[in-house]
Amino acid sequence: DQQVKQNSPSLSVQEGRISILNCDYTNSMFDYFLWYKKYPAEGPTFLISISSIKDKNEDGRFTVFLNKSAKHLSLHIVPSQPGDSAVYFCAAREYGNKLVFGAGTILRVKS
Amino acid sequence: ETGVTQSPTHLIKTRGQQVTLRCSSQSGHNTVSWYQQALGQGPQFIFQYYREEENGRGNFPPRFSGLQFPNYSSELNVNALELDDSALYLCASSLRQGILQETQYFGPGTRLLVL
Repeated sequence: DQQVKQNSPSLSVQEGRISILNCDYTNSMFDYFLWYKKYPAEGPTFLISISSIKDKNEDGRFTVFLNKSAKHLSLHIVPSQPGDSAVYFCAAREYGNKLVFGAGTILRVKS
Repeated sequence: ETGVTQSPTHLIKTRGQQVTLRCSSQSGHNTVSWYQQALGQGPQFIFQYYREEENGRGNFPPRFSGLQFPNYSSELNVNALELDDSALYLCASSLRQGILQETQYFGPGTRLLVL
């Protein structure tokens, strides 16, 4: 049973436009959410996080939105750049600091 | 500041063998977590160590075991390797400070192939 789901396996966006990556979760006990970016042959790189007591967190071009009632999380990248092309993972923290990951979304930013 | 490092980068083993993977935590971090990432999936939590003791375990059999050393480096040991153990193994370190939410930082991973 997948507790964290990224329903879009891939997303293609034009350079300069907005990229929106989505994530849904089922466990209401998750209290901390993170986004990681992964390039081939590298480990996941931390991008941005949000506590369950907030609904928005912004860091430069990256903004994460949390809708607790819908159990939905999204990552906005504005403006998108070709270097943003990677696999993006949504993760949620469970009791004991265990992270539960989604399956990832491949983002391609076309120049 | 040194990031998380892992060794080896790649490894080929045969079924039934044993393997040890190593991880050096980011400087100042006291917690290490291990994840298995199969092809096309997200990382799955194996276990976590805090101050040299196991502090949480995922749905993995006992043939997956680990150690954390006083310098906070860590090992993942897998006995009686099976074909399905072929995956990318990721180590992540973090700094635990009471109840504050901590961010895990990942190493580049070890790619294990079991033949």
